[in-house]
Amino acid sequence: QVHLVESGGGLVKPGGSLRLSCAASGFTFNDFYVGWIRQTPGRGLEWVSYIGRRTTTIHYADSVRGRFTMSRASALNSVDLQLNTLRAEDTAVYYCRSGSWQDAFDIWGPGAMVTVSS
Amino acid sequence: DVVMTQSPLSLPVSLGQPASISCRSSQGLVHSDGNTYLSWLQQRPGQSPRRLIYKVSKWDSGVPDRFSGSGSGTDFTLQISRVEAEDAGVYYCMQGTHWPYTFGQGTKLEIK
Repeated sequence: QVHLVESGGGLVKPGGSLRLSCAASGFTFNDFYVGWIRQTPGRGLEWVSYIGRRTTTIHYADSVRGRFTMSRASALNSVDLQLNTLRAEDTAVYYCRSGSWQDAFDIWGPGAMVTVSS
Repeated sequence: DVVMTQSPLSLPVSLGQPASISCRSSQGLVHSDGNTYLSWLQQRPGQSPRRLIYKVSKWDSGVPDRFSGSGSGTDFTLQISRVEAEDAGVYYCMQGTHWPYTFGQGTKLEIK
């Protein structure tokens, strides 16, 4: 069975840092796209970062570019998202998502809550 | 960024009745590879989103065939032929053609 699980969420002060991890089981990340999506009641669902299948190019939303860094740890079948210089508006549930745009495969993790507050 | 506009934002439906959600994009969604990356997702209360439909009209695994997607260009529709209790939740359209990929605001389907 296929699963994604995020870890590393929590409470952090403005200007602080946090690292989220997403571990996959039952499939190999390298064969599919991987992305981070966040959700807030006010702004809805928003793509944060994305890497396509078997590529090294990582795309970032303008709102996080230069502050967030996504990396793929192929040997561990996991993906990380480093969140630096956090702001209150980064408070959200962060989902890891993977799958195929061409085939019937799409999977989301349960989400990790990140709260930025003093 | 491509703006995805859904309507209605609230959709009360009786069990066994059909439902339809519209999604309009601010730009055409045909990718340079010829595909249209428009998908529909469902989010039940307390759960992560789940994709139902990809490339406008293709079903994801395990999705009941009472769900169907259609459309082209900038206008797309999700239809549910006969609403069941488990269909309650929020439905989103999403474009995966132009980065940043973007979602609609969501349509809350509630059972009357």
